Amino acid sequence: GESVGLHLPTLSVQEGDNSIINCAYSNSASDYFIWYKQESGKGPQFIIDIRSNMDKRQGQRVTVLLNKTVKHLSLQIAATQPGDSAVYFCAEPLSGTYKYIFGTGTRLKVLA
Amino acid sequence: DSGVTQTPKHLITATGQRVTLRCSPRSGDLSVYWYQQSLDQGLQFLIQYYNGEERAKGNILERFSAQQFPDLHSELNLSSLELGDSALYFCASSRQIGGPNTGELFFGEGSRLTVL
Repeated sequence: GESVGLHLPTLSVQEGDNSIINCAYSNSASDYFIWYKQESGKGPQFIIDIRSNMDKRQGQRVTVLLNKTVKHLSLQIAATQPGDSAVYFCAEPLSGTYKYIFGTGTRLKVLA
Repeated sequence: DSGVTQTPKHLITATGQRVTLRCSPRSGDLSVYWYQQSLDQGLQFLIQYYNGEERAKGNILERFSAQQFPDLHSELNLSSLELGDSALYFCASSRQIGGPNTGELFFGEGSRLTVL
């Protein structure tokens, strides 16, 4: 079933290629970021996180890059697979609070 | 399976009615968050509880209320329902060890509310 907004940016990638999903944040004081994956009809699922004292963090087939200068976060998925098709959100807790704010989301479509 | 349980999975009701959504967090998690996801607004933070106390509040309507019980499960009450309240309501939990800016959120599968 549908799970996200009508006007989501969409990234279409050929199976096996690398995917790069971007996220901009506005609060320069943010010190922790998380990427979530939401498959159709399911709840968001944690992928990877990064703290502001790091520029890069790698997981299994995923890498998150943080550019604090331009307040930009990206998620790189290597060798994209059909199972990677989902909506991807970046999220950050508002500094000093427990309030997690989610970005708009990007829909990733993997083409066979 | 995230370990977070939400009931009911689907709920259809009429305008003006009241519903209660329930959430059981992962074992050991003290924090519970409620989010609303509608077609035109993405994931919107509603409210957060930590060990029974309200810790953060988002754009939660006055018609909505929540609480966290001593056994740590939480309920979100939605009253005087309107058509625009139709959405997916997600509960998430976290350990919240070491302060607010640590730890991932574990989401349940959501409760889909349809108001007719």
